[in-house]
Amino acid sequence: GDKVKQSPSALSLQEGTNSALRCNFSIAATTVQWFLQNPRGSLINLFYLVPGTKENGRLKSAFDSKESYSTLHIRDAQLEDSGTYFCAAVGGSNYKLTFGKGTLLTVTP
Amino acid sequence: SVLLYQKPNRDICQSGTSLKIQCVADSQVVSMFWYQQFQEQSLMLMATANEGSEATYESGFTKDKFPISRPNLTFSTLTVNNARPGDSSIYFCSSRADNYAEQFFGPGTRLTVL
Repeated sequence: GDKVKQSPSALSLQEGTNSALRCNFSIAATTVQWFLQNPRGSLINLFYLVPGTKENGRLKSAFDSKESYSTLHIRDAQLEDSGTYFCAAVGGSNYKLTFGKGTLLTVTP
Repeated sequence: SVLLYQKPNRDICQSGTSLKIQCVADSQVVSMFWYQQFQEQSLMLMATANEGSEATYESGFTKDKFPISRPNLTFSTLTVNNARPGDSSIYFCSSRADNYAEQFFGPGTRLTVL
């Protein structure tokens, strides 16, 4: 099965609304990263987390290693937030960064 | 953070030919990796590029098909040999300072094989 399971796979939001994305891990994740892939294909680093919480502007992310999940909260969604959000985790003894399948977010006016 | 540059940013090649993708880091990095992403799919780790020695390949990727070189701590190349339409995807190089550090990605090379 998937080592990093992301949900939902797709999401449509109206401008100004809030939502949350989630990743569940079947590996013993030690660090988690969240990325935004923009329509040009570039990967933008959003968060790098050890267990705990970080906030940056309208984005907030949490990583709970004991419960094996991470969340990304988007507040007051804007059109430029559209794109594919990936979470990825390093876990186990191989130190490889494993990606989830992504959440395609569309923000509409 | 680490800045990674890739060249070319896109290419179109004919089936059966070979293509080389270069990746340069703006500082010395311990670990460099190559990832493949098919359209509307996730990123898949292809291999870890080891300085001065052979790359370590993941299941489904071979050195004959995707030879990787890493002559120093800032540079790596990925070659796609005998390219096929099924190799059409985006190839990303990536690096991090150590096993527990944040990982960064280059802008990607979009390859189309006709």
